[in-house]
Amino acid sequence: DIQMTQSPSSMSVSLGDTVTITCRASQDVGIYVNWFQQKPGKSPRRMIYRATNLADGVPSRFSGSRSGSDYSLTISSLESEDVADYHCLQYDEYWTFGGGTKLELK
Amino acid sequence: QVNLLQSGAALVKPGASVKLSCKASGYTFTDYYIHWVKQSHGKSLEWIGYINPNSGYTNYNEKFKSKATLTVDKSTNTAYMELSRLTSEDSATYYCTREGGGYWGQGVMVTVSS
Repeated sequence: DIQMTQSPSSMSVSLGDTVTITCRASQDVGIYVNWFQQKPGKSPRRMIYRATNLADGVPSRFSGSRSGSDYSLTISSLESEDVADYHCLQYDEYWTFGGGTKLELK
Repeated sequence: QVNLLQSGAALVKPGASVKLSCKASGYTFTDYYIHWVKQSHGKSLEWIGYINPNSGYTNYNEKFKSKATLTVDKSTNTAYMELSRLTSEDSATYYCTREGGGYWGQGVMVTVSS
C-alpha cells in the first residue's frame, strides 16, 4: 500500500506568511497527487490537481510542486481565509490521503 | 452544475447497519467513478473504496472490505454505501466524491450509540 507522509501536522502562521506543506510518497505516484483545503464543518475543496495544476477558482497564491517523491503545497502571502486544514491525496494506485495539516493563526 | 447530495445524519445502534445515499446531478452519472471517504472527528481522511457506476465494479480499502458495501442505482443516479455491524469506531462523517476529488457531497454524520 502507498503511504503519504504529510508534514507538519500543524503549523502556527501569521497573515502574509509563505506557508509550505509537504507530502512524501512511499513509492512512485507520478503526477497523481491532489491537494485539498477543508474548513470546519465543510467538505474538502480541491485546490491543486495532478501535483501542480491550480483548480478552478483557486487564488493564484496557491501553488503545487514536486521534487522526486516529495509533493508540496505553497501558499504565498497567507490570507485569513486560508486558515484551514489541508490534505494531500495520491490517486496513482487506489487512494491514500496524508495525515493532514492544521494551520492556526499565531 | 455538478452536485452530489447525500442523505441526512443517522443515529444508529451498535450492531446495526446503515445505508447512506449520494444522489448525483449535473453530469452523466456513469462517466465517473464515485469514491467514499471517512473522516473521524475532524481528523484525517480515509479512503473507503470506489464504485464504477457503469459496471458496478467495486474496489475497497482492505480495512473496509468487511465493513462497507458500495452499490449504485443507475435509474436514479444514486450511489449507496451500506455500513454493517456498526460500532463506536464507525461514528464519523462520510463523504461521497466524484473521481478526482473535484466534487464532494456535503457529508453525512453517522453516530453509533445505544
